[in-house]
This record gives sequence, structure tokens and C-alpha cells, in this order.
Amino acid sequence: QQPVQSPQAVILREGEDAVINCSSSKALYSVHWYRQKHGEAPVFLMILLKGGEQKGHDKISASFNEKKQQSSLYLTASQLSYSGTYFCGTSNTGTASKLTFGTGTRLQVTL
Amino acid sequence: DGGITQSPKYLFRKEGQNVTLSCEQNLNHDAMYWYRQDPGQGLRLIYYSQIVNDFQKGDIAEGYSVSREKKESFPLTVTSAQKNPTAFYLCASSIGWGLFFGSGTQLSVL
Repeated sequence: QQPVQSPQAVILREGEDAVINCSSSKALYSVHWYRQKHGEAPVFLMILLKGGEQKGHDKISASFNEKKQQSSLYLTASQLSYSGTYFCGTSNTGTASKLTFGTGTRLQVTL
Repeated sequence: DGGITQSPKYLFRKEGQNVTLSCEQNLNHDAMYWYRQDPGQGLRLIYYSQIVNDFQKGDIAEGYSVSREKKESFPLTVTSAQKNPTAFYLCASSIGWGLFFGSGTQLSVL
């Protein structure tokens, strides 16, 4: 079953913060986050594993609430380059096999 | 430079025709995937392969076929049985926990 992302869209001014949420009705082992710019391929941002281990890079951070089967992506001091659509992918394994993706959150950062 | 190459960038299919989308990677990744993306929707898994000469159906495999004869290559054929093939198709590879995507192929029906 597809995870639910919220909000569906958000517009920010440069320097503002945003939180994107991803909820699943299934027990999760890992949550993966990707960003896709218009007309381009999605780019891997980070993975959160059950037990708290986090792998990723960049200044963007995230959390994983195992009890609630929820993950949140935190974008602080947003930059114009943060604009794009953010997807979460959920899995009952720690690998990228058989990810189920949400419908995405469209983020636009303006001056 | 290492990466994933998808071709062609744009493809048009006539009714009743089979078309093949190419995906090549030089990242030495074992696992490869095909996803379909429709406007306003997330990515949906068509097929995946974790090793040469083996592949599994994803969530929407009907109307599609794949082969994995070489580690570097994972072509996707959209058959005439796929009645709604217009979509953006993404190929990806993985060495474990992250997916690395190609630039995609936009398939449209004439």
C-alpha cells in the first residue's frame, strides 16, 4: 500500500524551513527519501533504518518514528536549489528492493 | 564517469507495436529496476533484477517484459498488451540501500 505524504505542495521563501511527512499503514524497516527536479531523474537523499541508523548526505535531515510508521524530512534554511518534488519510499527491508513510493510533495522555494 | 544511460529520451509507439527501452549501467551494480511514473503519481515498480539471468515482477508487470543477460544491461519491452503505455519510464540500479536513476524515457502513443 502506498505511503501517504503531506503536504501535497508547499511554497517557501528562501531561508524558511519546511517539514515533509510520510506515513505508512504497514510495518516499516526503512524509509528512503528522493528529490526530483522537473524533467530530471530522482536523486537519492537519505535512508532511515529501523533502529535509528541513518545514511545520507547533504544538509537535509530526517527522522523515523517506528511506532507510528512515520518519517519526516526537515529542510532548514531552504535554498532555491531545494525546489522539486520530494518522494518517500518505504520498505520492509533495509535495501532498495521493492520500494513503495508516495505520490510526492512539490516544494517551491522563491526569492 | 559512471552512471546509468537510458535511451531513447523520447519514444513513440503505434497501436499494436512492441517497443524496447534501453538501460545500461557501468556502476557495477548487481540490482537493476524499472519504474513507471505518471503525472501526479509516485514511482511504481514494473520489474527488478538482483542478479544476471534472474528477475522478478513488481507491482505493475502486466504488459511488460524484461531480460537480464548481462550485468550492465536491463532492457524493458512494452508490449501491445499494455493498453495505457504513455508514461515516463525510469531505470535504476542499486548496490544496496540507494537507487541511482537514469535520465528516463518518455513514451507516448501515436
